Amino acid sequence: SAVISQKPSRDICQRGTSLTIQCQVDSQVTMMFWYRQQPGQSLTLIATANQGSEATYESGFVIDKFPISRPNLTFSTLTVSNMSPEDSSIYLCSVEDRDSDYEQYFGPGTRLTVT
Amino acid sequence: AQSVTQLDSQVPVFEEAPVELRCNYSSSVSVYLFWYVQYPNQGLQLLLKYLSGSTLVKGINGFEAEFNKSQTSFHLRKPSVHISDTAEYFCAVSSMDSSYKLIFGSGTRLLVRP
Repeated sequence: SAVISQKPSRDICQRGTSLTIQCQVDSQVTMMFWYRQQPGQSLTLIATANQGSEATYESGFVIDKFPISRPNLTFSTLTVSNMSPEDSSIYLCSVEDRDSDYEQYFGPGTRLTVT
Repeated sequence: AQSVTQLDSQVPVFEEAPVELRCNYSSSVSVYLFWYVQYPNQGLQLLLKYLSGSTLVKGINGFEAEFNKSQTSFHLRKPSVHISDTAEYFCAVSSMDSSYKLIFGSGTRLLVRP
């Protein structure tokens, strides 16, 4: 199974600033996903990030607000831009292991608080 | 498009009692079904999954789930819970039509009391 780490684990940021979250995987994977989990809510998919192509965003999420990079098969970043208190959430990355029947492995998450 | 409904937002239960967490899905095509658990301040961990074959799926930590196609359900069960099972449980669905993206239910908080 893939082991995923995220940095930072948590942060408190001021309104109007940006934060870049890093996701590192211990093996090469094709598909990486970024999710948002708002307080007391379920997970919502932000975008799918494949190496070598632009990220695919879900309805309600745009590249200007959540730019994503995927420079190689083990690493991705998600930036939360021009933050507002409504962006306070846990942000999780996950990877899909097609060798394990499409099982997704999740990172520990980044807990973001915007003041 | 797929959707997942978890009917109970919170399920309180006493230690060593059995528990069932309900999950219903909606889809026009064949689906894969998953149950994930999220312990406080942690990421998600896969409990079990149904891809095909036997409708009764056994997972980690003594959990099992049964796929019922006619009722479009995938309820999670455990015959005897422990205090350490207190966590948030998410049911999720994916399919070829959605490029195997996971669609999550709203979650059920299992609260095990001594």
